[in-house]
Amino acid sequence: QLQLQESGPGLVKPSETLSLTCTVSGGSISSTSYYWGWIRQPPGKGLEWIGSVSYGGSTYYNSSLKSRVTISVDTSKNRFSLKLTSVTAADTAVYFCARHPDRTGWYPFDYWGQGTLVTVSS
Amino acid sequence: QPVLTQSPSASASLGAAVKLTCTLSSGHSRYAIAWHQQQPEKGPRYLMILDSDGSHRKGDGIPDRFSGSSSGAERYLTISSLQSDDEADYYCQTWGTGYVVFGGGTKLTVL
Repeated sequence: QLQLQESGPGLVKPSETLSLTCTVSGGSISSTSYYWGWIRQPPGKGLEWIGSVSYGGSTYYNSSLKSRVTISVDTSKNRFSLKLTSVTAADTAVYFCARHPDRTGWYPFDYWGQGTLVTVSS
Repeated sequence: QPVLTQSPSASASLGAAVKLTCTLSSGHSRYAIAWHQQQPEKGPRYLMILDSDGSHRKGDGIPDRFSGSSSGAERYLTISSLQSDDEADYYCQTWGTGYVVFGGGTKLTVL
């Protein structure tokens, strides 16, 4: 059974960089058939896609966050990472990682992590 | 990119059935969507992918009580024989290569 687990600091200061890692177990991240994504959910609000990365490092980002986001993959450790720069209180959210298939086009997220809360505060 | 619209809330009685709606924006009525369930304090769970013709394919372990259907730009999730742990937020999602869009979610209350 595929499992994804987010990890990283739960508190980040304003203007600093948020860094999270998603470790994949029960399956390999090195597959041409999948993309790996980050999604966030501000307290009491809905889901927002941040971006996705392939095992080869191809990335796609939400245009509203593109200037501040970098998603990368580390196949040797079977994990992928998120960096979000210049954070403000508006970036306070639960951050989820998830997998979505890529077979002649993208498919929806089919496995999700449990999420990790990141609070931006001084 | 499409926009997905969901009613903020819905309610139904224990043991009854409920039908949730996700509406695709104008010009995007042929898009497939997915439904996800998010129980309180948990990560989302993939329920199914739903095509414009109403055909759907459920995720692993999703009970037969969950089904999908389509009509024009509307995509439906029907949950029958409601149980207490069906009380959750339900999100629809669509996508293209290079983008992902979520609806605002529907909070389902089981009475």
